[in-house]
Amino acid sequence: DVKVTQSSRYLVKRTGEKVFLECVQDMDHENMFWYRQDPGLGLRLIYFSYDVKMKEKGDIPEGYSVSREKKERFSLILESASTNQTSMYLCASTPGSGNQPQHFGDGTRLSIL
Amino acid sequence: ILNVEQSPQSLHVQEGDSTNFTCSFPSSNFYALHWYRWETAKSPEALFVMTLNGDEKKKGRISATLNTKEGYSYLYIKGSQPEDSATYLCALYLPNYKLTFGKGTLLTVNP
Repeated sequence: DVKVTQSSRYLVKRTGEKVFLECVQDMDHENMFWYRQDPGLGLRLIYFSYDVKMKEKGDIPEGYSVSREKKERFSLILESASTNQTSMYLCASTPGSGNQPQHFGDGTRLSIL
Repeated sequence: ILNVEQSPQSLHVQEGDSTNFTCSFPSSNFYALHWYRWETAKSPEALFVMTLNGDEKKKGRISATLNTKEGYSYLYIKGSQPEDSATYLCALYLPNYKLTFGKGTLLTVNP
């Protein structure tokens, strides 16, 4: 079974801090994704990567950056955390084809105070 | 931004009832349609990936159909059980590696 592991289930940070959310997958998947889930808004794509060192903006990239130095690891960075970034963050991975389902981590519930 | 609509937004049924909900999308933008189940405190779990018009897929008591020409997919649950309570998400895949998700249907099955 594919395992997508997010480093923290719950995280509390302060406004202005630089925050790192880590995601690791163990199935050699090419594509990795970061989403956020907010009530009434559904899952929204922040950034994705289809190869090492490659990144593409999703629908809501403002205030975020990403890093993919190794194939198995995809990091989401909040450069200067703000309260409107309080949310549930989900990482996912998939092999190259869009006919394959995405495999999700358990999520990180991030609170910015 | 592509619009994927799901209805209803939420649904309460009694144990044993059969139910269905809808995912609508622009029929001109289609590559694959995904269905996921997301239970509270767990990660979203893939149910189906559908690519062909007229596709029907089944997993136990859950099945799905796809109409790409008119731009909709139905998810059916036969004989709902309390463990079926979850948010059901559909997502449209376009050939740019991205999935666009609907807002989901929250299903609650009462014992």
